[in-house]
Amino acid sequence: DAGVIQSPRHEVTEMGQEVTLRCKPISGHDYLFWYRQTMMRGLELLIYFNNNVPIDDSGMPEDRFSAKMPNASFSTLKIQPSEPRDSAVYFCASNPTGEGYGYTFGSGTRLTVV
Amino acid sequence: AQSVTQPDIHITVSEGASLELRCNYSYGATPYLFWYVQSPGQGLQLLLKYFSGDTLVQGIKGFEAEFKRSQSSFNLRKPSVHWSDAAEYFCAVGVRDNTGKLIFGQGTTLQVKP
Repeated sequence: DAGVIQSPRHEVTEMGQEVTLRCKPISGHDYLFWYRQTMMRGLELLIYFNNNVPIDDSGMPEDRFSAKMPNASFSTLKIQPSEPRDSAVYFCASNPTGEGYGYTFGSGTRLTVV
Repeated sequence: AQSVTQPDIHITVSEGASLELRCNYSYGATPYLFWYVQSPGQGLQLLLKYFSGDTLVQGIKGFEAEFKRSQSSFNLRKPSVHWSDAAEYFCAVGVRDNTGKLIFGQGTTLQVKP
């Protein structure tokens, strides 16, 4: 298995532009998580899905952020409009059904908003 | 509420010396516990995990961790550190709600002196 695949690896965009981050989880994993990592706040859980359904989006910082999972093999995290404070590394992780397995993380997308 | 504390933000050890990274958690029941490692520019890789049973768990790369319920701790150890171990290390608690959701500590950066 190729693991969790994220694209792009790096994204530089201007303030106000729309940004879309993509994730392909491991086949057969029922749970998908989006995290944001910054120096100040560490790893923050933004949203997670179970069987393509958003379960908890309480970590999404504001309405500018949205996430979708149209099918079991693809998820997107969108920021519109982007702001400099959104600059961070965004990780996607997937997990087999249930608890206790531990995530498999993707390599992350480093987002810079200028 | 569940939480994870890694008291040491930054640790420096000499190559060949022993290592212990501290992790304390707050959780209302016996948790699932994890240690992850993140090399610069990379995603997080699972080092080891504790579910139940033997409180001393072995992981990859020669790491081990010991669960001490009385101290609410899950410290990571390695008897002899290699330069390639320089990275950031994250402790995490797995929430027992069948989602597999993890709560991460702030991380400890390990620097290895030659």
